[in-house]
Amino acid sequence: GAVVSQHPSWVICKSGTSVKIECRSLDFQATTMFWYRQFPKQSLMLMATSNEGSKATYEQGVEKDKFLINHASLTLSTLTVTSAHPEDSSFYICSAGGGQGALEQYFGPGTRLTVT
Amino acid sequence: QKEVEQDPGPLSVPEGAIVSLNCTYSNSAFQYFMWYRQYSRKGPELLMYTYSSGNKEDGRFTAQVDKSSKYISLFIRDSQPSDSATYLCAMSGAGGGADGLTFGKGTHLIIQP
Repeated sequence: GAVVSQHPSWVICKSGTSVKIECRSLDFQATTMFWYRQFPKQSLMLMATSNEGSKATYEQGVEKDKFLINHASLTLSTLTVTSAHPEDSSFYICSAGGGQGALEQYFGPGTRLTVT
Repeated sequence: QKEVEQDPGPLSVPEGAIVSLNCTYSNSAFQYFMWYRQYSRKGPELLMYTYSSGNKEDGRFTAQVDKSSKYISLFIRDSQPSDSATYLCAMSGAGGGADGLTFGKGTHLIIQP
C-alpha cells in the first residue's frame, strides 16, 4: 500500500498556543486528503476534507477558524490547531486518497496532541 | 442512534480459532465497506474493502456485506497472536475512498497463544 507520513508524531503545547501538523503522501500524488480526530475508546471522526489547491470542506461542528487546513501540493497537507485548549487534546490522523487504487484511502501514523 | 455500531470488545479467542467481527449501520447510502486494522497509537491499515453486497476473500480474511440487513462482517481464519489489534469497520458513499469515511468504534481483538 501507499505510504503516508505525519509529523510530529506527538506534541505537547501550552493552552493558547498554535500547533501545526504535517501530512505527506510519500509515494503517490494525493488529490484528496482527509483529517480525522480520535478520542480514547472512540471512533475516528472525520473533521475535514481537502483537495489540492482548494479550500477545505469541514464537517458539521468543526470550527474552520480553529482548525486551519492547507493542501498546497499533491503530497502535503497541514492542519494547524489555533489557540489550542485542553479539550483539543486528541489523536489526529490524516489520510490520503487518489493513489494507485482510487477507491482506497491510506492513513498516516497519527499525531498525539496534548494541550496543558 | 450512531451511524455505525461496532462492539468494542475486548474479544479474546485462542490461537487457531475463527474470529467473527461485525458492524451494523443505519445509512442506506453507504456503498463501500472497509475493514481497517489499528495497533495501539498507530494509524489504521486497510485490510479489505467491498463494494455493495457480497463476499470477498483475501488469504485468511473474508469480508461479507449484507446491505438488506445493513450488516457487515469480517472473518479471520486460523487466527494468530499477531492478529491481535483493534479492527475498525468503515463505510462511505458512492465516492468510495474519495469520500470521508464513517468509522465504527473498533473491536479490540486478543488472540491468546
